[in-house]
Amino acid sequence: LAKTTQPISMDSYEGQEVNITCSHNNIATNDYITWYQQFPSQGPRFIIQGYKTKVTNEVASLFIPADRKSSTLSLPRVSLSDTAVYYCLVGDRGSTLGRLYFGRGTQLTVWP
Amino acid sequence: DAGVIQSPRHEVTEMGQEVTLRCKPISGHNSLFWYRQTMMRGLELLIYFNNNVPIDDSGMPEDRFSAKMPNASFSTLKIQPSEPRDSAVYFCASSLAPPGAPADTQYFGPGTRLTVL
Repeated sequence: LAKTTQPISMDSYEGQEVNITCSHNNIATNDYITWYQQFPSQGPRFIIQGYKTKVTNEVASLFIPADRKSSTLSLPRVSLSDTAVYYCLVGDRGSTLGRLYFGRGTQLTVWP
Repeated sequence: DAGVIQSPRHEVTEMGQEVTLRCKPISGHNSLFWYRQTMMRGLELLIYFNNNVPIDDSGMPEDRFSAKMPNASFSTLKIQPSEPRDSAVYFCASSLAPPGAPADTQYFGPGTRLTVL
């Protein structure tokens, strides 16, 4: 299973773009990259998922370089409500026995 | 849909007591997951079921922990006997499909905060 490494914490100000990078050097061919968001006292919530290049939805963008050994979650113009923990996960889509590791994630704090 | 439902939301018990956490997954979801979250270890997968059958229980810490899924709409996580180090937030999640398949996005419940004194 591919291990992921992401910063423990990040700080930003309202209105700025935030980029959180995750390293997954041992990612396998069948692995997809998924990001979840967790607010205090709530369970994690799915944000975005991708396999390669760029994926964009109404919440965020996910950039994945050609070698797929890292990925970057981009949050445009963050607000105070984006303060949360963000988890990068790599999961095997080739087997129903695959499992996802959440780890400790990145605590993003947005300041006024 | 009401989402994943967990009960109780908070549980305080004394060491040695039995604790039972309950989960109702989203209707139609075939996979169910139990996670434990602590400051030290983050969010850890304990066990997951597919079509009511336990598929991967390698994350269950020890024999004091057991999980059942008697039907598609109900699951329990039991700790007997409980210990102070079991204090954590326990999350239940469900998904349409198992990890690795399309539509495998997990939807989490609000969690149960367990305190063992």
